[in-house]
Amino acid sequence: GNSVTQMEGPVTLSEEAFLTINCTYTATGYPSLFWYVQYPGEGLQLLLKATKADDKGSNKGFEATYRKETTSFHLEKGSVQVSDSAVYFCALGRSSNTGKLIFGQGTTLQVKP
Amino acid sequence: EAGVAQSPRYKIIEKRQSVAFWCNPISGHATLYWYQQILGQGPKLLIQFQNNGVVDDSQLPKDRFSAERLKGVDSTLKIQPAKLEDSAVYLCASSPLGGGGTDTQYFGPGTRLTVL
Repeated sequence: GNSVTQMEGPVTLSEEAFLTINCTYTATGYPSLFWYVQYPGEGLQLLLKATKADDKGSNKGFEATYRKETTSFHLEKGSVQVSDSAVYFCALGRSSNTGKLIFGQGTTLQVKP
Repeated sequence: EAGVAQSPRYKIIEKRQSVAFWCNPISGHATLYWYQQILGQGPKLLIQFQNNGVVDDSQLPKDRFSAERLKGVDSTLKIQPAKLEDSAVYLCASSPLGGGGTDTQYFGPGTRLTVL
């Protein structure tokens, strides 16, 4: 079946450090891939997405590239800020099916000044 | 533009009691989702509506959970009777299009349910 696996957290970084959060997926066909973020006290919001292989999603300095050969969608940011502290969720969606998103378990990022 | 609204934000009940959650999606959004997020896990879809019809309820525990979306706008999710394992955050989301896998979903703040 379809599934998403994220690296376990929490991830603790100093401000301006480089961030990578790993995400791999299992799916048949060609899913769309998403990163959602949940800031403290707020609801989930879309950070970026990619709908086909080799697409790169980007937003707010974050990037992720859809790699079909490695079934991965790793999230990266060159220089994190304290305000990036949040829980990050990788998810996949199947265009040939319902709109259901299948989420990973989430990775907590804490950025220290 | 107003976001997805949910109420209540928090609810504490005893096991075997009933509880209901309300969701108002973004105006004009055809598709509405209810997810269950247990602590330390990612959200899991319970039910998806397109307008007022059910698209996917394969993971809804139908012996105790029910949901409706009257007139294709607001939705309610009910649990009766509640069990301890129902303690979770219940998230409502909506999307403007037909609910295909590429759609961006917009989430509400969630309702945190504690069953004692």
